[in-house]
Amino acid sequence: GAVVSQHPSRVICKSGTSVKIECRSLDFQATTMFWYRQFPKQSLMLMATSNEGSKATYEQGVEKDKFLINHASLTLSTLTVTSAHPEDSSFYICSAGLEGNTIYFGEGSWLTVV
Amino acid sequence: RKEVEQDPGPFNVPEGATVAFNCTYSNSASQSFFWYRQDCRKEPKLLMSVYSSGNEDGRFTAQLNRASQYISLLIRDSKLSDSATYLCVVMPGGSYIPTFGRGTSLIVHP
Repeated sequence: GAVVSQHPSRVICKSGTSVKIECRSLDFQATTMFWYRQFPKQSLMLMATSNEGSKATYEQGVEKDKFLINHASLTLSTLTVTSAHPEDSSFYICSAGLEGNTIYFGEGSWLTVV
Repeated sequence: RKEVEQDPGPFNVPEGATVAFNCTYSNSASQSFFWYRQDCRKEPKLLMSVYSSGNEDGRFTAQLNRASQYISLLIRDSKLSDSATYLCVVMPGGSYIPTFGRGTSLIVHP
């Protein structure tokens, strides 16, 4: 079964609104989670590293004020896309490492901004 | 040069064929290597880790060539259900932050 759960799986929102995506670790605590974005036929691009109890670490070129990350507990990280625009439409996916170097992904969230 | 490079394909093969993908990486300090499978509009799922001695899992064989900095995936006796995108994933030593290739698309047809 899934060890990392992501919600919602699909969301459509209007331009200018904000959307929150949740990533939960099931049955384990994750001090670190990762957020990725994937455009069609492109690779997963790391957006930021979410650290429990502290600020997220953003990759170069990712606007921290636009993509707000909150990791308030050891089992939940959230990504909020603020003032969304059509170019933010993408597949957003989170992950958490568990043992060794195994990467567990959430199911992903398809965001469409209209 | 990209950190992890893959031929995006698509590789279009008939059922039963053998197909091989390569992936090159630029960071010589990379320590961990994986192949992930990603189905259309789904999250990536681990297919297999890649070890220096090479490893096999059923119809799938993965190999690592550190000197040339590439890894490979060989799929024998292709099935229709093997159709997917195969992602090469590389991690530096001591890090949990992977670098993904853009993926190689495989289409297996009847």
